[in-house]
Amino acid sequence: SSEVTQDPAVSVALGQTVRITCQGDSLGGYFASWYQQKPGQAPVLVIYDQNNRPSGIPDRFSGSNSGYTASLTITGAQADDEADYYCNSRDSSGNQWVFGGGTKLTVL
Amino acid sequence: QVQLVESGGGVVQPGRSLRLSCAASGFIFSHYGMHWVRQAPGKGLEWVSYIWKDGSNQYYADSVKGRFTMSRDNSKNTLFLQMNSLRDDDTAVYYCARDRQQSDANWFDPWGQGTLVSVSS
Repeated sequence: SSEVTQDPAVSVALGQTVRITCQGDSLGGYFASWYQQKPGQAPVLVIYDQNNRPSGIPDRFSGSNSGYTASLTITGAQADDEADYYCNSRDSSGNQWVFGGGTKLTVL
Repeated sequence: QVQLVESGGGVVQPGRSLRLSCAASGFIFSHYGMHWVRQAPGKGLEWVSYIWKDGSNQYYADSVKGRFTMSRDNSKNTLFLQMNSLRDDDTAVYYCARDRQQSDANWFDPWGQGTLVSVSS
């Protein structure tokens, strides 16, 4: 099955912009979705279908796709954004799905 | 509101079986494919399985293929995961999630709160 890779950890100063990336062959065929997970909680969808936000997700969250890379950008990071972020894509077979290893975001 | 509630987790010995359930409410269950996703302690998310909205087809991760079986009862708005021949590395929180699709995009929303499966002798 395919794999998607993420940087294990990223930090950002309060109020600054941070980009979290996800790379993998499957991203050439399917758009990534992004999930935020805080300690002890279930994951929450933050970005889907390239750059769509579910209701209730702040507009400082945005997504983009280019080739085999997907990105999640937080513009004006807040303390509440400190969490683990996972990307997901359907793999090239279309019969399996794959998560990236997750990126731990620290807001300084 | 749309809600998924998992149950059935617990402590089980290696080689034994366990059946998880996921009760859905707030949406027309039979209109959506569904997933199971798991997370080992301190680790990342791992996709486990998917079932079509009518239950006619299922897909599995290589790590569980041949041991886990996903099914659903649309009359009871309930999803199941039958886990056989459990191993230590199946220890995880198991989440159910609703599938959403649009052209070349796929996403999971919402997720249940998860149920913990601990495989230990």
